[in-house]
Amino acid sequence: AQKVTQAQTEISVVEKEDVTLDCVYETRDTTYYLFWYKQPPSGELVFLIRRNSFDEQNEISGRYSWNFQKSTSSFNFTITASQVVDSAVYFCALSEPGTASKLTFGTGTRLQVTL
Amino acid sequence: GAVVSQHPSRVICKSGTSVKIECRSLDFQATTMFWYRQFPKQSLMLMATSNEGSKATYEQGVEKDKFLINHASLTLSTLTVTSAHPEDSSFYICSASPRTGGYGYTFGSGTRLTVV
Repeated sequence: AQKVTQAQTEISVVEKEDVTLDCVYETRDTTYYLFWYKQPPSGELVFLIRRNSFDEQNEISGRYSWNFQKSTSSFNFTITASQVVDSAVYFCALSEPGTASKLTFGTGTRLQVTL
Repeated sequence: GAVVSQHPSRVICKSGTSVKIECRSLDFQATTMFWYRQFPKQSLMLMATSNEGSKATYEQGVEKDKFLINHASLTLSTLTVTSAHPEDSSFYICSASPRTGGYGYTFGSGTRLTVV
């Protein structure tokens, strides 16, 4: 069975601080995909990144960066110089292999960025 | 590309009535769609996998007679909450996977259902 753990329930930072959201996963599959989504107060899910299990390169996209470490089954997400607009719930998710990807979500981390 | 439209965004209904939620893929064909449910301040839980032209696959603990799913075309799946009760109040969100292969990461904007 697949499982995603986001141990941080809520994080509060002051604008311009860096913040890292942790994600640890469990799966028996050798091929899988990892995702991060942002859910602002309006409710929709905003796709941030997808990473396949064979690609351990870290990725940077603007202020966002992701650190995938297969050895520790972790896929952490860092926001550099946080902004108030980053306030949201962030979900890490894991998908089964195959084209019809059923996602297993973590419990989410609520990020509050204040001035 | 890969836009999913979900309607309605909010609905309030009386106990005992049924509510239909639509999930449409606007610019791609979706062989598979997924329906998730999210309680306040909780994670998303998969309810069922909807396959075009065949019966939906429900997750354990989800009542298929209560949550009717129909995926009659490659661009539309519907979730009907039958005989709704206050405990069915929740945020329902769909996800569609492109027919050509994809990773199901396109989500609708969600439907907030309140049963009074």
